[in-house]
Amino acid sequence: KQEVTQIPAALSVPEGENLVLNCSFTDSAIYNLQWFRQDPGKGLTSLLLIQSSQREQTSGRLNASLDKSSGRSTLYIAASQPGDSATYLCASSPLTQGGSEKLVFGKGTKLTVNP
Amino acid sequence: KAGVTQTPRYLIKTRGQQVTLSCSPISGHRSVSWYQQTPGQGLQFLFEYFSETQRNKGNFPGRFSGRQFSNSRSEMNVSTLELGDSALYLCASSLRESGSSYNEQFFGPGTRLTVL
Repeated sequence: KQEVTQIPAALSVPEGENLVLNCSFTDSAIYNLQWFRQDPGKGLTSLLLIQSSQREQTSGRLNASLDKSSGRSTLYIAASQPGDSATYLCASSPLTQGGSEKLVFGKGTKLTVNP
Repeated sequence: KAGVTQTPRYLIKTRGQQVTLSCSPISGHRSVSWYQQTPGQGLQFLFEYFSETQRNKGNFPGRFSGRQFSNSRSEMNVSTLELGDSALYLCASSLRESGSSYNEQFFGPGTRLTVL
């Protein structure tokens, strides 16, 4: 059974700092890995999706990497801004669980960027 | 394109009642998945519908059911509500192209269900 862990659970940084969020998963046989952000009381916004054959994806100040052999993914945020404050969730879609639409989520990292 | 929409946004029910939640996917998306989010358990997969058929199911009791219509809109039903069913219910849609690992999922704003 796939388990996804995110460390740290919470992170507080000053504005402008570069930071890394970590995600680990127990089953390396996955379709893809997706990073989301969630603002309080809201739904999830898709940030980046990395296919199982890829090593990384980039969008603006965000860069996500995937290392299937070690069961790890990282989300790098450059030059953080107060608007980046949110909970960041990673989710994997295990090959063994019937389809790429079944996402297994970590508990998230709550990020606070202080002005 | 309009995003995923969910109605209603908020619901208050009492124990023993039943509830129906609705989800309209992004135009052209044929797969709809449902998730439950609670502070203790986080986000958990409920089920996925594609072409009006349930394709995958999570580990939830039979009180949780769903269906999908020919226009890809989906409904989720919870019968005999319990206090522990209080949660944010999220639906997600994707293209679900056969053989593709690039089935990016897009989430709606959720329905906040409170059971008293």
